[in-house]
Amino acid sequence: ELKVEQNPLFLSMQEGKNYTIYCNYSTTSDRLYWYRQDPGKSLESLFVLLSNGAVKQEGRLMASLDTKARLSTLHITAAVHDLSATYFCAVDNGDYKLSFGAGTTVTVRA
Amino acid sequence: DSGVTQTPKHLITATGQRVTLRCSPRSGDLSVYWYQQSLDQGLQFLIQYYNGEERAKGNILERFSAQQFPDLHSELNLSSLELGDSALYFCASSVAAGVSTQYFGPGTRLTVL
Repeated sequence: ELKVEQNPLFLSMQEGKNYTIYCNYSTTSDRLYWYRQDPGKSLESLFVLLSNGAVKQEGRLMASLDTKARLSTLHITAAVHDLSATYFCAVDNGDYKLSFGAGTTVTVRA
Repeated sequence: DSGVTQTPKHLITATGQRVTLRCSPRSGDLSVYWYQQSLDQGLQFLIQYYNGEERAKGNILERFSAQQFPDLHSELNLSSLELGDSALYFCASSVAAGVSTQYFGPGTRLTVL
């Protein structure tokens, strides 16, 4: 069974500083997704990473994938308040199912 | 707005009852997925349909069933409800059954009393 682990589970960020969220998974996959969820809301797609070495950037967020290490990172540059949310990584191991990590709850403080 | 619609938004019912959750995918999407989100289990994949056929099954209880209709909307039926079934149920859709982004609907919050 595919296991997806995110860390940290909770992240208190100071505005203006840089942080990284890690997503490790247990079996071979080259398809990984990042989602954002605001409290009480649905999931919003952030990035789709489909090959080893893939890097995607949008604004202050950058995601990368290392399939050999079974690791994806979500890097946050110069955190701002509107980045406060829960971030999920999800891995597709080819059987049409997405396995989600537990989520990282991010709070950005002044 | 992802383009995926779900009804109802909230549902409060009693143990032992049966409910139906409805999902309309984005225009052009053939795949529909159902997920359950709860505090103790996190986000769990339940089931996927592609163009009317069941494609993959996850941690879906036998008391739960789903189907996708010819117009591609989908329904998730939950029966003999228990307190532990209280959760947020999301529907997602994608163009294809394999590698493609899943777009999530707003969810149905189910409360079983």
